[in-house]
Amino acid sequence: EVQLVQSGAEVKKPGESLKISCQVSGYIFTKYWIGWVRQLPGKGLEWLGIIYPGDSDTRYSPTFQGQVTISGDESISTAYLQWGSLKASDTGMYYCVRRELDCSSGLCYGYYLDYWGQGTLVTVSS
Amino acid sequence: EVLMTQSPATLSVSPGESVTLSCRASQSVSSYLAWYQHKPGQAPRLLIYGASTRATGVPARVSGSGSGTEFTLTITSLQSEDFALYYCQQYNNWPDSFGQGTKLEIK
Repeated sequence: EVQLVQSGAEVKKPGESLKISCQVSGYIFTKYWIGWVRQLPGKGLEWLGIIYPGDSDTRYSPTFQGQVTISGDESISTAYLQWGSLKASDTGMYYCVRRELDCSSGLCYGYYLDYWGQGTLVTVSS
Repeated sequence: EVLMTQSPATLSVSPGESVTLSCRASQSVSSYLAWYQHKPGQAPRLLIYGASTRATGVPARVSGSGSGTEFTLTITSLQSEDFALYYCQQYNNWPDSFGQGTKLEIK
């Protein structure tokens, strides 16, 4: 059974650093892209970025380039999302997701999100 | 970035009825469109990918259609477990983008 298990809720002050995790099981970690999606309070979903653990290829949404760092540790099948200096506007729910290649049309292109972690609530407040 | 617009923002429907949710893309995304169901306190769940392919375990009363810029999600014979928030997502262009969601509530 595929599972993505995220680390617990965090309460931080502005300017502090943070690293949250997403440990996967039930599939080969290095064979699928893993991504991070956030949901701000009362808002919709936004992409932060993705990583392919097999070669550590990492891509960020332009909005978040330079704001967060995504990494992975193959030895423990875990992906990470980290901030060097948190802001109050980073408060929200963060989900890790597995991206699956869409081959439904016979041509394989694009990735939908077939498994989601349970979410990590990050609260940044002074 | 491709802008995804969902309508309406909220739908009030009675159990047993049918509903159609709409999703529009600011440019063509071909059929690279997915739908997700999101309930409070839970992780979102994949319903549809490739615009019309049901994910594993999704009942046949849930269907998706469309291509290019116009997409719909139809749910027939609404049951209590269907009342939730629904998001569409395009994955034709990176970064993938989500609609703002349609909340399906009990009338």
